Amino acid sequence: KAGVTQTPRYLIKTRGQQVTLSCSPISGHRSVSWYQQTPGQGLQFLFEYFSETQRNKGNFPGRFSGRQFSNSRSEMNVSTLELGDSALYLCASSLATKNTGELFFGEGSRLTVL
Amino acid sequence: GESVGLHLPTLSVQEGDNSIINCAYSNSASDYFIWYKQESGKGPQFIIDIRSNMDKRQGQRVTVLLNKTVKHLSLQIAATQPGDSAVYFCAETLMNTGFQKLVFGTGTRLLVSP
Repeated sequence: KAGVTQTPRYLIKTRGQQVTLSCSPISGHRSVSWYQQTPGQGLQFLFEYFSETQRNKGNFPGRFSGRQFSNSRSEMNVSTLELGDSALYLCASSLATKNTGELFFGEGSRLTVL
Repeated sequence: GESVGLHLPTLSVQEGDNSIINCAYSNSASDYFIWYKQESGKGPQFIIDIRSNMDKRQGQRVTVLLNKTVKHLSLQIAATQPGDSAVYFCAETLMNTGFQKLVFGTGTRLLVSP
């Protein structure tokens, strides 16, 4: 069974640009969450999508957005990039049942903003 | 996914010892807690979870203890192995958010010497 796949794995952008990251969840998983990981702030929740609807949202500015497609694949977008957006962006998928909160994380997309 | 922090607390143990990793959580209303392990270059991996109506839960070589009075969580690893070397994160959430909106701790680096 394939795991969570994130693309691209590494990318470099300059301030002011925008970026789109992609996440393919494990087959059958309907929930996709996004997290930002930085040395200073650690792992922080961005948002969660379930059945194409944003169900939860973290405390990030509106420059951070996402969406989910009917096949559960998800994308997140960051517009008007700032140096502080340099981070590892992790996607996680889950079955979203009521019995467990086990999230399956991908290996992340490492974004560097110059 | 490189894990994390420049100043992570570090626990160094010898192979075969038992390890105890501690975590203080922040929200007294949190009712679901999880431990994740993150190896260098990978995303976090689920280890074990516990609900707030329990004080202790055991898995394979791991035990999680929850003390709601002092908002403290611990992960005990029995017979620690070199493969256990990683950064360990505790996370908390509210089950009514669908388990997905996790608040992660800062992490502890576990170093296991042969």
